[in-house]
Amino acid sequence: EVQVVESGGGLVQPGGSLRLSCAVSGFTVSSHYMNWVRQAPGKGLEWVSIIFNDGSTYYADSVKGRFTISRDDSKNTVYLQMNSLRAEDTAVYYCARDSYSRYWGQGTLVTVSS
Amino acid sequence: DIVMTQSPDSLAVSLGERATINCKSSQSVFYSSNNKNYLAWYQQKPGQPPKLLIYWASTRESGVPDRFSGSGSGTDFTLTISSLQAEDVAVYYCQEYYGSLYTFGQGTKLEIK
Repeated sequence: EVQVVESGGGLVQPGGSLRLSCAVSGFTVSSHYMNWVRQAPGKGLEWVSIIFNDGSTYYADSVKGRFTISRDDSKNTVYLQMNSLRAEDTAVYYCARDSYSRYWGQGTLVTVSS
Repeated sequence: DIVMTQSPDSLAVSLGERATINCKSSQSVFYSSNNKNYLAWYQQKPGQPPKLLIYWASTRESGVPDRFSGSGSGTDFTLTISSLQAEDVAVYYCQEYYGSLYTFGQGTKLEIK
């Protein structure tokens, strides 16, 4: 059974950092594209970042230079390192598998506020 | 970057009637090499992650009722619910996965009239 579980969210001050984790089971992250998608309170979905199975990474313009996606194949986990956080980064962050995503986690809430 | 624009932003339809949501991309998401449109549709209910309904513009995900259908090619796409049920109340999103940066439409809120 495929499971996707995000963790690491919380309250952080503007300018601070946070690392999100996406632990999966039922498949290997190295064999799939893995995405981070976020949703600000009451707003729509925003694609954030992707790591392809060849390890290449891409980012939305809104987070480029501040966020870094990575994976640890030994832990079957994908990460999102978020630096220089801003109030507008406040959102539920979802981890999702593949280009068209049939597998999503339940999300982890990141709140950026002083 | 590709911009996805959905219309309308909100829609109210009577139970049993047809609901139609449109999605337009700023550039074609059709790959002629494999004859596929890189376009998906999702349904999201409050407090839940999105649920995949349609991929490759018109392929229905396993388990999705056949009242949901997707159509279109190139830059213009449509999600149709043929006979609206109460459980279809949700926000619907289109998403392109054509390049390396994926983009969602802004969402369409579907309600019962």
